Formats: sequence, structure tokens, C-alpha cells
Amino acid sequence: EIVLTQSPATLSLSPGERATLSCRASQSVSTSLAWYQQKPGQAPRLFIYDASNRAAGIPARFSGSGSGTDFTLTISSLEPEDFAVYYCQQRTDWPQALTFGGGTKVEIK
Amino acid sequence: EMQLLESGGGLVQPGGSLRLSCAASGFTFSSYAMTWIRQAPGKGLEWVSTISVNGGGGAYYADSVKGRFTISRDNSKDTLYLQMSSLRAEDTALYYCAKIGLWTTVPTGYLDLWGRGTVVTVSS
Repeated sequence: EIVLTQSPATLSLSPGERATLSCRASQSVSTSLAWYQQKPGQAPRLFIYDASNRAAGIPARFSGSGSGTDFTLTISSLEPEDFAVYYCQQRTDWPQALTFGGGTKVEIK
Repeated sequence: EMQLLESGGGLVQPGGSLRLSCAASGFTFSSYAMTWIRQAPGKGLEWVSTISVNGGGGAYYADSVKGRFTISRDNSKDTLYLQMSSLRAEDTALYYCAKIGLWTTVPTGYLDLWGRGTVVTVSS
């Protein structure tokens, strides 16, 4: 079973700052990794798929990178609406399993 | 507009049963694999189960629910189900249904549409 570890657990930043979120896989997932954003009281929303592709309607300030075991979600300049929890998810084992990371909360400093 | 709407959650005693439903609209339900994801209070996301487009292609379960939960779908009603039995306190969570995206005809393994969820509480 592939385990995804996200760091840091919490990121305290101010609007306008750059956010860098990490997701590490216990074994290679190639580029089969997605990022989701979840705001309080809302369902998660797909933001990035295949490690670096933005989903429809996602602003260009969001970018994903990485392959193998190390992945990064970068928010180039935080907007007020970006403060949320972000989860990574790998699909290498799909359909037998889907795995999520534990999440990174991006909070206002 | 594409939409998923879960229902059927509630309070149930340990050992009890519950059936969740997820009504789909705005897309061709029968063309997409579907999945259930849950989120315990204050916790992260946990995959529960996935079903293929027609059910016959396979149903898959997390080890934590295998043998207790059954996923099914009725494509004539555009509805996904999760039959839950032998419920435990640790099954308490918000249960989401989600649609697996497609690259033309190949499932992506990514969840591109989510419902708002239905709450299941297992407690005596």
C-alpha cells in the first residue's frame, strides 16, 4: 500500500505570500498524483491532476510539480480565498484503492 | 449543471445498518465509475469503495469496510448506493460520493465531481 505524507501539517502565511506544500509517496507513483482543495463545510475540489495539470477553472497561480515520490503544490501569491486544506491523492492502485495524504492546512498568519 | 446529492445518513447504533444514496444529475451517470469517500470529524479523507460503470466490471473496498459495506448502482435511476452493515463507532463520518473523471473512455482515477456529503453517526 502506498502511503502519502504531506508536510507541513499547517502553513501560516499572509495574503500575497508564496505557499509551498509537499507530498511524499512511500514508493513511486510516477506522475499519477492529484491535489484537492477543501474549504470548511465544503466538499473537496480537484485542483491539479497528473502532478502538474490544472483542472478546469483553476487559477494560474496554482502550479504542481514533481514525479516519482516527491511532489509540490505551489501557490505563487496567496489570495484570501486560497486559505483552506489541501490534500494530495495518488491513483496508481486504482481501482483497487485510492490513497490520500493527511492534508496541509494553509491558514492566515 | 453536474451535481451529486447524497442522502440516507443518520444516527445508528453500533452493529446497525444504513443505506446511503447518491443521486446524479447533469451528466451521463452510466458512463462513469463512482466512488465513496468518507471524512471522520476533524480528520482527512479516506477512500471507502469504488464501482465500475456497470457494476459488473468490479467493486472495490477499503480493508476497513470490506465484508461490511456493499457498493451498488442503478444506472436507470442515475443513483449510487452504499449499503453499510455491522456499523462501528469508527465508521462515524461525513460520506461523500464522487465521480471518477474520464480521458475519452478511460477512467482517470481522479475525483472530478463531489457531492456535499451525508453524515453517518454510529453511537449508542
